[in-house]
Amino acid sequence: DQQVKQNSPSLSVQEGRISILNCDYTNSMFDYFLWYKKYPAEGPTFLISISSIKDKNEDGRFTVFLNKSAKHLSLHIVPSQPGDSAVYFCAARGDDKIIFGKGTRLHILP
Amino acid sequence: NAGVTQTPKFQVLKTGQSMTLQCAQDMNHEYMSWYRQDPGMGLRLIHYSVGAGITDQGEVPNGYNVSRSTTEDFPLRLLSAAPSQTSVYFCASSYATGTPYEQYFGPGTRLTVT
Repeated sequence: DQQVKQNSPSLSVQEGRISILNCDYTNSMFDYFLWYKKYPAEGPTFLISISSIKDKNEDGRFTVFLNKSAKHLSLHIVPSQPGDSAVYFCAARGDDKIIFGKGTRLHILP
Repeated sequence: NAGVTQTPKFQVLKTGQSMTLQCAQDMNHEYMSWYRQDPGMGLRLIHYSVGAGITDQGEVPNGYNVSRSTTEDFPLRLLSAAPSQTSVYFCASSYATGTPYEQYFGPGTRLTVT
């Protein structure tokens, strides 16, 4: 049973606009949430994270929002740039395990 | 700093063969983990370790063994390879305590079992 769900396999966004990637989770014991970015033939790289006691964390163009009551988080990228085209993974930490979602492929259109 | 290194980069095995995927890190991280990535399945946790001498199972541990005799190394053993183990394997490391639990990933090992 999937504990971390990314229900959109892909997303296309115009360059310069906002990209919003969504993630849902089922385990209320998760205490930390992370976003990773992955290019083909490379390992994932860490983007941004948020503790379960916060509802927002911002780092440059990237902002993560957490809605604990809905068990939902989202990653906002503003403005979107061509180099943002990649697969984005949502991950959640609980009980010493870090569980990943299936990923969303983001295409930034010129 | 080399970060997280994985060897080999590519490997082809026949069904029933055994092999060890190597993973090493030079960041003095306590926490290390192995994931496999399959099309449409994301990254699935195989095994993880919170420190030398301590390992535990992840989401998909069957068919794999691990050990952690040093802080730096965390090898993954396939005891009897099966075609279902064809995948890309990633090793990762991080500090075990203290946020943000950011994991550093290796470049991956692409394994094909025929």
